[in-house]
Amino acid sequence: QAQLVQSGAEVRMPGASVKVSCKASGYTFIGHCIHWVRQAPGQGLEWMGWIKPHSGDSKFAEKFQGRVTMTRDTSINTVYMELTDLRSDDMAIYYCATDGLFLTGNGWFDTWGQGTLVTVSS
Amino acid sequence: EVVLTQSPGTVSLSPGERATLSCRASQSVSANSLTWYQQKPGQAPRVLMSAASIRATGTPDRFSGTGSGTDFTLTISRLEPEDFAVYYCHQSESSPRTFGQGTKVEIK
Repeated sequence: QAQLVQSGAEVRMPGASVKVSCKASGYTFIGHCIHWVRQAPGQGLEWMGWIKPHSGDSKFAEKFQGRVTMTRDTSINTVYMELTDLRSDDMAIYYCATDGLFLTGNGWFDTWGQGTLVTVSS
Repeated sequence: EVVLTQSPGTVSLSPGERATLSCRASQSVSANSLTWYQQKPGQAPRVLMSAASIRATGTPDRFSGTGSGTDFTLTISRLEPEDFAVYYCHQSESSPRTFGQGTKVEIK
């Protein structure tokens, strides 16, 4: 069955960058977009953007434009999300999730990673 | 941006009772683009219902979804202990994808 395994927790100072990985297995990696969703402590869910593993194309929420990069390495079925210029309000659990539709980024969030806690603190 | 408003924010019910959760969109959303997720403490969300009314694999049939346009509802016919959680609606109709703020179903 499909599975996403994310990298471990990170601690960064304000102004630094963080790069989180998401390794896929159990399905055709290039067949499904991968989304990134974050959740601040005690808060709701916020969509950040998606990447299409087959092309490398990505799309981001306007809020994160200029600060987020999403890349992929098809040789190891892994996508990465890098967020720069971290602020205290970027402290959150970051999740990757597969898109439920084939090739498009228009579906629901089907399989989720376990989440990566990013702490931003001086 | 499509704003999704869920109500109530929190509902306190006993096992065996019926739960009715509402999700209202600020503009019309295709039912095909409306998804419900369940999240338990310390866990990632999991998809419960896609296309407003299609149960995901593993979702018990006590869960049902209805709605169209701007009003959607998730109903849990008889609450089981494992159903006490936070529920989010989500739309994939337009970018940015948005979620409701969540409804917490807690044990009374």
